[in-house]
Amino acid sequence: AQTVTQSQPEMSVQEAETVTLSCTYDTSESDYYLFWYKQPPSRQMILVIRQEAYKQQNATENRFSVNFQKAAKSFSLKISDSQLGDAAMYFCAYVLYGGATNKLIFGTGTLLAVQP
Amino acid sequence: NAGVTQTPKFRVLKTGQSMTLLCAQDMNHEYMYWYRQDPGMGLRLIHYSVGEGTTAKGEVPDGYNVSRLKKQNFLLGLESAAPSQTSVYFCASSYWASSRYEQYFGPGTRLTVT
Repeated sequence: AQTVTQSQPEMSVQEAETVTLSCTYDTSESDYYLFWYKQPPSRQMILVIRQEAYKQQNATENRFSVNFQKAAKSFSLKISDSQLGDAAMYFCAYVLYGGATNKLIFGTGTLLAVQP
Repeated sequence: NAGVTQTPKFRVLKTGQSMTLLCAQDMNHEYMYWYRQDPGMGLRLIHYSVGEGTTAKGEVPDGYNVSRLKKQNFLLGLESAAPSQTSVYFCASSYWASSRYEQYFGPGTRLTVT
């Protein structure tokens, strides 16, 4: 069974600094997608970035980028130039490509605090 | 286009009471999901549906039932609420298009069982 692990329950970063959130996953499949979701205090789940496993190039969305290491089954999120609005819970998630159920499997989350 | 909506947003129940949470999506998605979110445990899948008229159990289905009579609606029922069901509940829908996957979430329902 696939699993997703986020080993950092809480992280803190100074405003304008860079922070990296860790995620590892376990799967025997070769074709899948990985995601980072942000959940601010409003509770709304917001997609931050996605990575297709078949792509070697790391995904980037403005200040957010990932370091995808397929062999190591690692998928970390880097937030550059951190802003107060980045303070939130961040979830890493996995979905199998072409699966019958399209179920997302989530990690337990990392709570990010941004210090002014 | 409202996306995924959930009703109600907040609810307080007494132990043993029943209630139904309604999820609606206007994106014509086949797949729909119900999750619960508890501190330190992330989002756990309760039940899901791969199409109208079909449902299946997820990771934590006990104490819940679901129905998908219409493609756009996915209902989550609690027949006899227990304090252990105090949680935040999220509904979601998903699609694949041109090898691109996205799952959309509702705003969540905070349920307290006393």
